[in-house]
Amino acid sequence: AQSVTQLGSHVSVSEGALVLLRCNYSSSVPPYLFWYVQYPNQGLQLLLKYTTGATLVKGINGFEAEFKKSETSFHLTKPSAHMSDAAEYFCAVSVPDKIIFGKGTRLHILP
Amino acid sequence: GAGVSQSPSNKVTEKGKDVELRCDPISGHTALYWYRQSLGQGLEFLIYFQGNSAPDKSGLPSDRFSAERTGGSVSTLTIQRTQQEDSAVYLCASSLSGTGRNQPQHFGDGTRLSIL
Repeated sequence: AQSVTQLGSHVSVSEGALVLLRCNYSSSVPPYLFWYVQYPNQGLQLLLKYTTGATLVKGINGFEAEFKKSETSFHLTKPSAHMSDAAEYFCAVSVPDKIIFGKGTRLHILP
Repeated sequence: GAGVSQSPSNKVTEKGKDVELRCDPISGHTALYWYRQSLGQGLEFLIYFQGNSAPDKSGLPSDRFSAERTGGSVSTLTIQRTQQEDSAVYLCASSLSGTGRNQPQHFGDGTRLSIL
């Protein structure tokens, strides 16, 4: 069965520090993977996606994620956190006819 | 507008009343999804429409929940005899094609439903 696990429901980093949000997936077919961000009182916005090809994927707002098949992971990173990055982040895996979302990680930025 | 539009943005109603939530997807998108997001929870899949095919209703939590999509465009999610546990944000999303696994979903801003 396909599933997505996000480690840590809350992550706090200092402004300017590295952001690392962890995502592991389980899929019986080659995975298509997504990261979405949700700001307060808004819907989800696509940050980046991996389908095929290059395993390091760059997204909006300076975020990137690396697909590691051997580790079944798709962790999201950003070299330097900004206050505006405070939001909830969702990892998702695409299966036929459906996208399965993780439970989300709320990112807090400390001044 | 170019995005997914949901209305109302907020809805407060009394327990036992029926509510209708509306979603207007991006023009040309054949796939439409409804999700429920409760406080502190992830996204709970409710129902999926793809073109003229029969919808996937596997996520609907009870028979009080139903949805329809008219003319392959606008969708309405109806909750009958609302209960307090129905309080949540209801999100709608659309994608170009539900059968294309590389197609991302585009989300509306949701309807925040509060049952008193």
